[in-house]
Amino acid sequence: AQSVTQPDIHITVSEGASLELRCNYSYGATPYLFWYVQSPGQGLQLLLKYFSGDTLVQGIKGFEAEFKRSQSSFNLRKPSVHWSDAAEYFCAVGGGAGRRALTFGSGTRLQVQP
Amino acid sequence: GAVVSQHPSRVICKSGTSVKIECRSLDFQATTMFWYRQFPKQSLMLMATSNEGSKATYEQGVEKDKFLINHASLTLSTLTVTSAHPEDSSFYICSAWDRQNSPLHFGNGTRLTVT
Repeated sequence: AQSVTQPDIHITVSEGASLELRCNYSYGATPYLFWYVQSPGQGLQLLLKYFSGDTLVQGIKGFEAEFKRSQSSFNLRKPSVHWSDAAEYFCAVGGGAGRRALTFGSGTRLQVQP
Repeated sequence: GAVVSQHPSRVICKSGTSVKIECRSLDFQATTMFWYRQFPKQSLMLMATSNEGSKATYEQGVEKDKFLINHASLTLSTLTVTSAHPEDSSFYICSAWDRQNSPLHFGNGTRLTVT
């Protein structure tokens, strides 16, 4: 069975500091990996996805993620956090290039200090 | 712009009534749609997979008679919460698979409150 672990429930960083959100997955085949962001009471916005190819993936809003098969990880990074980045971040894994449902991690709540 | 429209965004209903939530793909055909449920401060849990023209596939523990899913066209899936109870209060999110472009698109969710 597929699963996603986000070990950090809550992270606080200062504005302008770098950010890394951890994600580990378990999947029996080639994983399709996603990072989504959710503001309170809102739906999900796709930040980036990895299907194949270059293991360093660039996304929107200055985010990037690196797929490391040997570590079963897909960590999200941003070099300089902005106050507007405060939100809930979900890592997800799926298969079939999206035609199968995603399994989500438990989420990491990011708080940004001025 | 939004490619999956979910309506309503917020609904309050009395216990015992039924509520219908619509999920529409706006500019692509979605043969497969997924319904998720999210409790406060928790992750999204898959409820069911909706396939156009066939019966939905429900996840273990989800009552198919309570959460009726209809996927009658390639652009519309509906979730009806029947005889709603306060414990059904939650955030419901749909997603649709865009076969042409591969990614899953998510609706903005429906906040259901049952009083």
